[in-house]
Amino acid sequence: AQSVTQLDSQVPVFEEAPVELRCNYSSSVSVYLFWYVQYPNQGLQLLLKYLSGSTLVKGINGFEAEFNKSQTSFHLRKPSVHISDTAEYFCAVISNTGNQFYFGTGTSLTVIP
Amino acid sequence: EAGVAQSPRYKIIEKRQSVAFWCNPISGHATLYWYQQILGQGPKLLIQFQNNGVVDDSQLPKDRFSAERLKGVDSTLKIQPAKLEDSAVYLCASSLGGDGYTFGSGTRLTVV
Repeated sequence: AQSVTQLDSQVPVFEEAPVELRCNYSSSVSVYLFWYVQYPNQGLQLLLKYLSGSTLVKGINGFEAEFNKSQTSFHLRKPSVHISDTAEYFCAVISNTGNQFYFGTGTSLTVIP
Repeated sequence: EAGVAQSPRYKIIEKRQSVAFWCNPISGHATLYWYQQILGQGPKLLIQFQNNGVVDDSQLPKDRFSAERLKGVDSTLKIQPAKLEDSAVYLCASSLGGDGYTFGSGTRLTVV
């Protein structure tokens, strides 16, 4: 089975500052990795995903993430955050032979004006 | 393409009552999932369908939860009787394959 650990439950950051949301995973097989964003009272929206190829993945809204196999990490970054980025962010993993997502517990990003 | 549709958006019921949620996946998506997201936690898979068959329901509390996808398209999730701890957002998702998940907006259930 797979598991996901999001090390920070809450991350406050000032507007236009950079941010990194950390995600580590555990799996005995190859995996696909995802970041989802959830705005208040809404469902999950895919930010980006890593399936194979380049370890640096670019997503929507200026976010990017880097897959590091040796450190089993998939940290999400944005060089300059905006107020509208305030939301809950979930890292998720699925094995390349499986069909079930395993989600982390989420990181609440609050952008301070 | 149209997204995953869920209804209702919100539901408040008293404990021991029953409730049902509905999901209409993206057209052509054979796989449908129901997730439970308790406040402050990540979504947890309740049940997975492949067409109209159940693939995984190992985490579904079968004494009170049931789900069906009779024609391999729409799905309903039912809770009977509801408990306070069932208060959560219930998310439906559909996919074509392992990298094509789309989530609905969810149904927020409050049990009082």
